[in-house]
Amino acid sequence: KAGVTQTPRYLIKTRGQQVTLSCSPISGHRSVSWYQQTPGQGLQFLFEYFSETQRNKGNFPGRFSGRQFSNSRSEMNVSTLELGDSALYLCASTPSGGHSTDTQYFGPGTRLTVL
Amino acid sequence: AQSVTQPDIHITVSEGASLELRCNYSYGATPYLFWYVQSPGQGLQLLLKYFSGDTLVQGIKGFEAEFKRSQSSFNLRKPSVHWSDAAEYFCAVEDNYGQNFVFGPGTRLSVLP
Repeated sequence: KAGVTQTPRYLIKTRGQQVTLSCSPISGHRSVSWYQQTPGQGLQFLFEYFSETQRNKGNFPGRFSGRQFSNSRSEMNVSTLELGDSALYLCASTPSGGHSTDTQYFGPGTRLTVL
Repeated sequence: AQSVTQPDIHITVSEGASLELRCNYSYGATPYLFWYVQSPGQGLQLLLKYFSGDTLVQGIKGFEAEFKRSQSSFNLRKPSVHWSDAAEYFCAVEDNYGQNFVFGPGTRLSVLP
């Protein structure tokens, strides 16, 4: 079974631009979660989607949004980029989204650099 | 809201030595507890998790962790470290409602030959 894939792997943008990141979960997994990893703030939960609906949301501004398609693929969008948005964005999938009962499988991440 | 602390930012051990990485959490009830490992340039991989039952949990790659309610701790251990264990280790907690998943700041492990 193919693992979680994220595209692109690297991105360079300038302040004020917007960006869209993509995540394809493991086949059969219906839950996708997004995380931001920075040296200063560590790993922070952004949001989780399950069956095309946002089920949980972390404490991030509205510039961060996401969606999930019927095939469970998910996209994350960041509008009006700021320097502080430079980070590794990780996506994880599980069959049903219960972290206690399911195992999260992480993708390799997308490294976003904002200049 | 729950929180996680990992008191050690960086630990260095010799290959073959034993290892213990500390994790303390703050939560009103017994949370769900996890340990993840992140190798350079890689995503995260789940080592083990605890949500009920036996307080000593066995994971992959020879790791184990012990939940101690009285100390609000979930320390990760390995009896003999291998050079390939060099990585960053993250402890994480989730509340009982599955709505708040929080990572600790991580502990970087270096292994000396």
